[in-house]
Parts: sequence; structure tokens; C-alpha cells
Amino acid sequence: DQQVKQNSPSLSVQEGRISILNCDYTNSMFDYFLWYKKYPAEGPTFLISISSIKDKNEDGRFTVFLNKSAKHLSLHIVPSQPGDSAVYFCAARAGGTSYGKLTFGQGTILTVHP
Amino acid sequence: SQTIHQWPATLVQPVGSPLSLECTVEGTSNPNLYWYRQAAGRGLQLLFYSVGIGQISSEVPQNLSASRPQDRQFILSSKKLLLSDSGFYLCAWGEDTEAFFGQGTRLTVV
Repeated sequence: DQQVKQNSPSLSVQEGRISILNCDYTNSMFDYFLWYKKYPAEGPTFLISISSIKDKNEDGRFTVFLNKSAKHLSLHIVPSQPGDSAVYFCAARAGGTSYGKLTFGQGTILTVHP
Repeated sequence: SQTIHQWPATLVQPVGSPLSLECTVEGTSNPNLYWYRQAAGRGLQLLFYSVGIGQISSEVPQNLSASRPQDRQFILSSKKLLLSDSGFYLCAWGEDTEAFFGQGTRLTVV
């Protein structure tokens, strides 16, 4: 039972354009969502997060949008840079659970071409 | 600042052999600690978490076990490895609103 899904295994974007990574979830108890970035042979690093009381959170080139009614969130990267090439994981946490207890999606491989 | 150490970085073990992966955290006390695994083509799956010394919660039935002998030490073990135990194992600690991950251990069971 995949509670967090990233249906696009990969995404290829030209440098300078927008990258949009999508994530869907099924568990209504999720109230906090995070995006992690992962390079090969390294642990994931935190990128940006959003609480369910918001519908948008912005940090520099990264913006996360949350549509609670559709149980959908997306990560926008503008402008995309070659250094953004990595695997991006969407994660969610249910209310009342411990901070690190996350449910992850399968990941999307982003490739940004120069 | 807090740091998390995990070793070894890579490990190749034969089927049926034991396993011990160690994780330590510095710069914090009484952290919540987690073991995740990423199998090939899959997302990260939570295996165990611990909110204190000797307190272990298992999230999925499996061939592995975890222990927390000290406040900032978290160990993942197996008595006999299976081929299906291959994967990328990540230790993490949780604070505020997010989890911080170690560098991971690539385990290949042959």
C-alpha cells in the first residue's frame, strides 16, 4: 500500500527552465510534507517543507505547492540548474507522530541539461 | 551543530552471514533515531525507530533487528542475511519538523 506516490520515475529539463516534480498521497492523516534531494551514494538532504495549513511555501528557487483536496503536492524549481540533477523524494508525516517518522515516495530522477 | 555518522559506507556479505551497522549522533541528547532502507527502485522505507535507550519500535516484519545501547548509538543487526536484505540503509535522527540522514550504507548480499 503505497501511501505516497511519485508517478514520474524521471524528468529531463533544460537549464534555465522550470522543473515540476509531482507527488500524490492517500492518507488523510498526513499533515506535514517534505522534499528531499539525494545524490548517488549519499543520504538524502532536506530541501523544503510545507504544513497542511498552508498551500504554498517558497525558498529561493524552490517552491512547494499543496492541494489538500486533491491530496497532491508539487515542487517547482525555477530556474533549473545542472547542479539540481539528483533524485527527489517526497515525504509525508502524520499528525502526532515523531519527527523522523516519514513515509516516502519512490523518488523522481531529475536531470537538468546544460 | 549536530552530525550523524554511519558506517561502513559499503558492505558485501554472503547469504547467511551476520550483519551489524552502526550509527552515532553528535551534538544532541536523547535524539529520536531511525533506520530506513531503500531497496532497488523503491522509496525509503522506515524499518525501526527509537525514542530512547532500549526503546525500539519495528515498522515492518523482517529479518533485521535494531538496538540502542547508548543514547546516541543505534545499531542495525541480522543473525543471518538474506538476498532480499540488499539495499541502501540510512540512519536518521529527527528534530523540529524534519529528519536528518547519515551518508548511508550500501549493503549487497551475495
